[in-house]
Order: sequence, then C-alpha cells, then structure tokens
Amino acid sequence: SQQGEEDPQALSIQEGENATMNCSYKTSINNLQWYRQNSGRGLVHLILIRSNEREKHSGRLRVTLDTSKKSSSLLITASRAADTASYFCATHTDRGSTLGRLYFGRGTQLTVWP
Amino acid sequence: SQTIHQWPATLVQPVGSPLSLECTVEGTSNPNLYWYRQAAGRGLQLLFYSVGIGQISSEVPQNLSASRPQDRQFILSSKKLLLSDSGFYLCAWSEGNNSPLHFGNGTRLTVT
Repeated sequence: SQQGEEDPQALSIQEGENATMNCSYKTSINNLQWYRQNSGRGLVHLILIRSNEREKHSGRLRVTLDTSKKSSSLLITASRAADTASYFCATHTDRGSTLGRLYFGRGTQLTVWP
Repeated sequence: SQTIHQWPATLVQPVGSPLSLECTVEGTSNPNLYWYRQAAGRGLQLLFYSVGIGQISSEVPQNLSASRPQDRQFILSSKKLLLSDSGFYLCAWSEGNNSPLHFGNGTRLTVT
C-alpha cells in the first residue's frame, strides 16, 4: 500500500521561479522523506523530516510537516532546468508490523523551462 | 563509502520464463534491503523488505519471491513471468529502521 500522495501530479515552471509540491499521508509516521528521480534512474534522497519537526532546510530546499493535517510540502527556490525530475514523498510508519518500511507516493513531475 | 550494484540494467523476457535479479551492497554490514517496482509513470510499490539474512517480508502476494542468501545480497526471482510483471525494479538499502534509502540504478524488465 502507498502512504503518500503528491499534489500536483505535474508542475511546469520557468527557471528562477519557486516550485511547491505537496504530500498527504494516511497514518501515524516516524518521519517523512523527499526523493528525486531523474528519468530512468534510481531515486536520490533529498531530505528527511522527523515527526516532531515542523520545518527543515537544505540548500534551496525547504520542507514543512504538519502532522495534525498529515501533510508536507517541498519548496524548491530559484529553480533551475537541472531541477527537472520527478519528486516523491515517502513515509516511515512508527508502529505495528510495517515498522521500518518506507512507502512512496506517486510523485510530482517537475519541468523547469530555461 | 557504500555502494549498491543492481543488474542487469535492462531485460526482455518471454511470458512463462524465469527471472533472477540481483542486488549487492558494499561498504556496510547488516543493511535493511528493499525491492520496489515502479510501473510507467507511477509511484513505487514495495515488494519485499529484509532486515537480515533469511528474513524476508512480502508486501503484496504475487508471482515474485525474494531471497537474502548473504548479508549484502538480495535476489528477486520468479519461476514464471507474467505480462503484468513488466516494470522498473529498484533495489535499495538503509542503515536501519527510519533511515534514508539508497537506491540502485534499477532494472527495466519487459515481459513479452
């Protein structure tokens, strides 16, 4: 089963603009992670935010987490053509038989035009 | 540093043929290991999860099986492939529960 669902499914912007992607999930989590996937490649981990954190930054990335709404957002500032990729949120559950497993959403396809 | 190797990169197999995809990790010990499948334009579906040698958890009942004969080796198998087994298969490892995953480059499987 998949825990996260990203929104929008596709996003197209110009270089220099900011890109915001949202993720909603269903159950209690230990942490939420964002990954990037270039076409035909494996996923690369971008950032991890724990359930007791509300915001985290890494370079041009800003992630927020609202556990009361079971949602997260990924903001990429000053986007570049090289940011073109699919972005996935993923959640680690914090209890039960699925402890330790990471569940992914369907992803947002981001296209940044030069 | 740790590395993950996954092969082959692409594979075309007829329906009913067997399958064996291999994944090995270097530079770490007792990793958690994962097999995911990604259908075209879709998210990742967790297939199998292992926390140690011989310890395999299956997420979805299906035509596939997994084995972990050595600490850093994870194998995905099928005795008879179905058309619906086509997809992009990704192996990944993590240092433990709740840690980031590190992915291989994937295997593109086409069942004809």
